Amino acid sequence: EPEVTQTPSHQVTQMGQEVILRCVPISNHLYFYWYRQILGQKVEFLVSFYNNEISEKSEIFDDQFSVERPDGSNFTLKIRSTKLEDSAMYFCASRNPSGGGADTQYFGPGTRLTVL
Amino acid sequence: SQKIEQNSEALNIQEGKTATLTCNYTNYSPAYLQWYRQDPGRGPVFLLLIRENEKEKRKERLKVTFDTTLKQSLFHITASQPADSATYLCALDVTGGFKTIFGAGTRLFVKA
Repeated sequence: EPEVTQTPSHQVTQMGQEVILRCVPISNHLYFYWYRQILGQKVEFLVSFYNNEISEKSEIFDDQFSVERPDGSNFTLKIRSTKLEDSAMYFCASRNPSGGGADTQYFGPGTRLTVL
Repeated sequence: SQKIEQNSEALNIQEGKTATLTCNYTNYSPAYLQWYRQDPGRGPVFLLLIRENEKEKRKERLKVTFDTTLKQSLFHITASQPADSATYLCALDVTGGFKTIFGAGTRLFVKA
């Protein structure tokens, strides 16, 4: 069964450093998402991406964040200057909507980001 | 802004019983609502989706109801098993599929 993959599984970085989290969505999917989950808290939407541009973003997704689909398979989340409060699990998801848009989002296993 | 509340942080039940989890939402009229399962350290896994014009949806031992008047969904697991122990998340798509918001989840513990 096809699945969303994410690398690395765990990233440790120093405050102020840039990090890039990588995702390979399911190959025929068209909609891509990033979420984060701070330890013990709920899953929070960050951004959605369709047709090579951002569709929606949350208030969390400020100028420190950017997303890119550099080729036909990868989808990346960049944090330019990490802060302590960016420490969280980051999940990528993808979806291939049929009519009505109500199709399943498939989540990756996540990248645990630790900012020291 | 849209808000989702899952009434219980944790629910403990005995194996074989039915678990019932509640999701309430405000400030929105969703076209559909979803339930996911999340195990510790893992990503959410989709379980069921129910549309606004559906009162009930079933999949094996799972059943979801959706009351758009009460703005509430109930999620039932019948004949529960210890393997059902996980966190269950309620989710709404709030902009036609471009943004999904999740409830905080209910941790279910099924004791053998």
